[in-house]
Amino acid sequence: SQQGEEDPQALSIQEGENATMNCSYKTSINNLQWYRQNSGRGLVHLILIRSNEREKHSGRLRVTLDTSKKSSSLLITASRAADTASYFCATVLNYGNNRLAFGKGNQVVVIP
Amino acid sequence: NAGVTQTPKFQVLKTGQSMTLQCAQDMNHEYMSWYRQDPGMGLRLIHYSVGAGITDQGEVPNGYNVSRSTTEDFPLRLLSAAPSQTSVYFCASSYEGQVTGELFFGEGSRLTVL
Repeated sequence: SQQGEEDPQALSIQEGENATMNCSYKTSINNLQWYRQNSGRGLVHLILIRSNEREKHSGRLRVTLDTSKKSSSLLITASRAADTASYFCATVLNYGNNRLAFGKGNQVVVIP
Repeated sequence: NAGVTQTPKFQVLKTGQSMTLQCAQDMNHEYMSWYRQDPGMGLRLIHYSVGAGITDQGEVPNGYNVSRSTTEDFPLRLLSAAPSQTSVYFCASSYEGQVTGELFFGEGSRLTVL
């Protein structure tokens, strides 16, 4: 079954604006990861947040994790045209089945 | 380092044909996996391996075989291709035996089955 559902599915913003994406999951997790995929390319890892962490930053990226609500958000600040991509959340479950389960992805378009 | 290399990048098959998608990594990663990506479905795990000689099924293993004879290589075999296997396939690896860290992805192999 799919673990990790992003919301909203598609987002179109102006360059310089912030972009926020949400991800929900259903069962206890070890960690949650966000990936970016440019059109026609492989996925690239952005950031990993562990279940005992609440917030993490990496450059213009900010990820939050709320384990009580089983949700995470990815914020991209001061977006650039190069941020146009699909963004996926992925979870590693806590009972050690050694799988990374991906959501269906968010399409983000940044208009110059 | 080349990272994760997948070949071929594009392939067209007829129903019933067999083929192997190749995946190689030069990072000495223990964990390797295959995903397929279909529109609106996200990525679904086909098979994975936590080290040479060890493989296990993922979410959608039917119609696919894998083997892991070396740390570097993790080929995916389609035994008798079906149109439902038309997809983009991604190989990914992780430096840990357990997938608790980030995955490194190849650029994908686009397969069309007629």
